[in-house]
Amino acid sequence: GAVVSQHPSWVICKSGTSVKIECRSLDFQATTMFWYRQFPKQSLMLMATSNEGSKATYEQGVEKDKFLINHASLTLSTLTVTSAHPEDSSFYICSARVPLGASYEQYFGPGTRLTVT
Amino acid sequence: GDSVTQMEGPVTLSEEAFLTINCTYTATGYPSLFWYVQYPGEGLQLLLKATKADDKGSNKGFEATYRKETTSFHLEKGSVQVSDSAVYFCALSDLAYTGNQFYFGTGTSLTVIP
Repeated sequence: GAVVSQHPSWVICKSGTSVKIECRSLDFQATTMFWYRQFPKQSLMLMATSNEGSKATYEQGVEKDKFLINHASLTLSTLTVTSAHPEDSSFYICSARVPLGASYEQYFGPGTRLTVT
Repeated sequence: GDSVTQMEGPVTLSEEAFLTINCTYTATGYPSLFWYVQYPGEGLQLLLKATKADDKGSNKGFEATYRKETTSFHLEKGSVQVSDSAVYFCALSDLAYTGNQFYFGTGTSLTVIP
């Protein structure tokens, strides 16, 4: 089946620095990827939709200048958390959308745990 | 808008007990319904899905039936094992109305004790 990877799986950074998270579709091409954020013991919150070759679409309340998304190729989307603060500490999960007949499937990456100190 | 309401946990069961996790949904169109499982420290894995009314999704002994009349998609397993301990998320997605965006429930933590 389709596999989505994320790198790194775990990262610690200092407050004020930026960190980049990669999301890759390993054996398929994905024109659309999604980025989610998960707080401890809570559900996933959709942050943005990443479309290859165009600007990402952000959900209401998500700061696009803080969470930079780039989908430069059909197999890679990146999320950069700029000027990170402790409140940005969270579990970030990406997913990739795959056409399946007349509909789509979504495959999720294993997630990246970000800790900002 | 579309949403999913899931029974709150945590749920603690003894091994071989019967499991039910309730899930109801609100949707404008005709969504597909999913159950995802998240093991500690890992991402989401698709457990099962159903794409239309009266469909039954099943996998690894788990099953759920898409009930349009009650807008429900309850997860059941007849005999749980310790290895089933995880967080379970109900979700919906409606390609026609939301462009395949997923809406997740808040998750239900299940702990199975020997």
